[in-house]
Amino acid sequence: GNSVTQMEGPVTLSEEAFLTINCTYTATGYPSLFWYVQYPGEGLQLLLKATKADDKGSNKGFEATYRKETTSFHLEKGSVQVSDSAVYFCALSDASGGSYIPTFGRGTSLIVHP
Amino acid sequence: NAGVTQTPKFRVLKTGQSMTLLCAQDMNHEYMYWYRQDPGMGLRLIHYSVGEGTTAKGEVPDGYNVSRLKKQNFLLGLESAAPSQTSVYFCASNPHRTGVGEQYFGPGTRLTVT
Repeated sequence: GNSVTQMEGPVTLSEEAFLTINCTYTATGYPSLFWYVQYPGEGLQLLLKATKADDKGSNKGFEATYRKETTSFHLEKGSVQVSDSAVYFCALSDASGGSYIPTFGRGTSLIVHP
Repeated sequence: NAGVTQTPKFRVLKTGQSMTLLCAQDMNHEYMYWYRQDPGMGLRLIHYSVGEGTTAKGEVPDGYNVSRLKKQNFLLGLESAAPSQTSVYFCASNPHRTGVGEQYFGPGTRLTVT
């Protein structure tokens, strides 16, 4: 079956530091890949996505590249802000085999200090 | 568009009581999902629906029932609440015909069972 593995948190950084949150996946077909962000007390919201190999998703300074050869979709940001403190979820969606259910990682908490 | 809305936002139940959580979306999405989120457990799928009048079990369906009588609404019922059902519940919808694509989440319902 499908699975998503994220690095465990919390990840604690100072403002303006470089961020990487690792995400690897296993899938039976050719999935679409997503990063969602959850701010305290809120629901998840889509941060970025990529639908095929070598695609780069980007939004709000965050980037992730779909790497089929390493089955990875690592999230990066060059300079984090305090307002980026949140929980980040990597996810995949794969319709092969008739599955309608996306697969989520367990989430990685990011804490950014001033 | 209001997107995905959930009612209520908070609820406290006594063990054995029943309640229904309502999820509504105004985006004409086919797919809808109910998740629970517990500390350290990520998101776990309770039930989902691929269209009006259809429902299916997810990863943790025991103790819950659902109905999708109208396309825009997805109801989650707890017939006899237990302390183990204390959690934050999220509803989500997906616009894609095959279910492959990003999910739109509601703001969540925080349920405490005493």
